[in-house]
Amino acid sequence: QKEVEQNSGPLSVPEGAIASLNCTYSDRGSQSFFWYRQYSGKSPELIMSIYSNGDKEDGRFTAQLNKASQYVSLLIRDSQPSDSATYLCAGGRYDKLIFGTGTRLQVFP
Amino acid sequence: EAGVAQSPRYKIIEKRQSVAFWCNPISGHATLYWYQQILGQGPKLLIQFQNNGVVDDSQLPKDRFSAERLKGVDSTLKIQPAKLEDSAVYLCASSRRDRADEKLFFGSGTQLSVL
Repeated sequence: QKEVEQNSGPLSVPEGAIASLNCTYSDRGSQSFFWYRQYSGKSPELIMSIYSNGDKEDGRFTAQLNKASQYVSLLIRDSQPSDSATYLCAGGRYDKLIFGTGTRLQVFP
Repeated sequence: EAGVAQSPRYKIIEKRQSVAFWCNPISGHATLYWYQQILGQGPKLLIQFQNNGVVDDSQLPKDRFSAERLKGVDSTLKIQPAKLEDSAVYLCASSRRDRADEKLFFGSGTQLSVL
């Protein structure tokens, strides 16, 4: 069974800190990875995608991919209370995408 | 650009009853997905359509769930008869191309409660 695993949290960080979210995957053939943010009672929305080893930055968000170790991470700099949500990691191939269970992030003032 | 439309927003039924959900994807999006998200879990793919053909329905409980996408546009997902464990949010998503590793645009979902 190909899986994407995340710590369910909650991960609590103070406002202004860096939040670090991690994800591991079992399918070595996975090529594409995504981070979706899901606010309580809302549907997921894409915040980052990453396809190559290394870092990808977009504003306060940095996605990191290490295919040799089969992990993906998301760093959120200068965390804000509005970042409080569940972050879903998804990974897969052209024909299959699997979501993790999500990590709940709480940013407190 | 209009987003993915879903209805109803909420549905409460008793076990063994039937229920149907409707989804209209973003105009021009070839691929449509139905996901089931149980509370505290990530979305689980139920079925994927490419235009009006089924690409993947390996996790669809076919004894009770059915789905169709007529004319390659909107889609309906039906459960008959419903079980308690079907209580979940049913998310419809669409993407431009016929690849699973493509950005997904999600609808607002239908929250189903089976009593």
